[in-house]
Amino acid sequence: ETGVTQTPRHLVMGMTNKKSLKCEQHLGHNAMYWYKQSAKKPLELMFVYSLEERVENNSVPSRFSPECPNSSHLFLHLHTLQPEDSALYLCASSQGLAGTQETQYFGPGTRLLVL
Amino acid sequence: AQKITQTQPGMFVQEKEAVTLDCTYDTSDQSYGLFWYKQPSSGEMIFLIYQGSYDEQNATEGRYSLNFQKARKSANLVISASQLGDSAMYFCAMRDHHTGRRALTFGSGTRLQVQP
Repeated sequence: ETGVTQTPRHLVMGMTNKKSLKCEQHLGHNAMYWYKQSAKKPLELMFVYSLEERVENNSVPSRFSPECPNSSHLFLHLHTLQPEDSALYLCASSQGLAGTQETQYFGPGTRLLVL
Repeated sequence: AQKITQTQPGMFVQEKEAVTLDCTYDTSDQSYGLFWYKQPSSGEMIFLIYQGSYDEQNATEGRYSLNFQKARKSANLVISASQLGDSAMYFCAMRDHHTGRRALTFGSGTRLQVQP
């Protein structure tokens, strides 16, 4: 089974909709991340969770709301998004956060289009 | 200030030839990790290779090797015997402790196209 899965793979939503992105990791890792990848920009970190506790929030607008109910699942709740929020949203996980050698493993991403 | 620089927006290589993708980085930490990822058009970021700042040997993983030159702060990825399936975006990334950040800082990527 794939290490990190994300659903849905594609999402189109209007600015008034509420939707959620789901990420699940099957690697037994303790840390999970949300990244945003916009066209022609480097990946931007959004949130970091370790053992279900949010440890980093990278100045993300409140219309993005993360949730980590357990160490295997991570959600990104979306509401009243703007067209500029259209991007590829990538989830990742790593064993921990302690060392510089911690490798992050990514899911396939959700391509989001906000109309 | 940008911490990871990939100066080649696009590269072409003939099938079966070797190619080098450039990456330079900036950090004041002594301890850091360098990573390369491959992103096909499907979107998934695939981990390729890791190099630690204290590693004395250059990292190798199959056809991938990392030309690590610490004094020059460069960590170039070498792909030997290119295959058509190697066509993708390639990202260099770093993790250090300087800012206390726990996640990776990525470069802007290089698009590699392997030609038959």
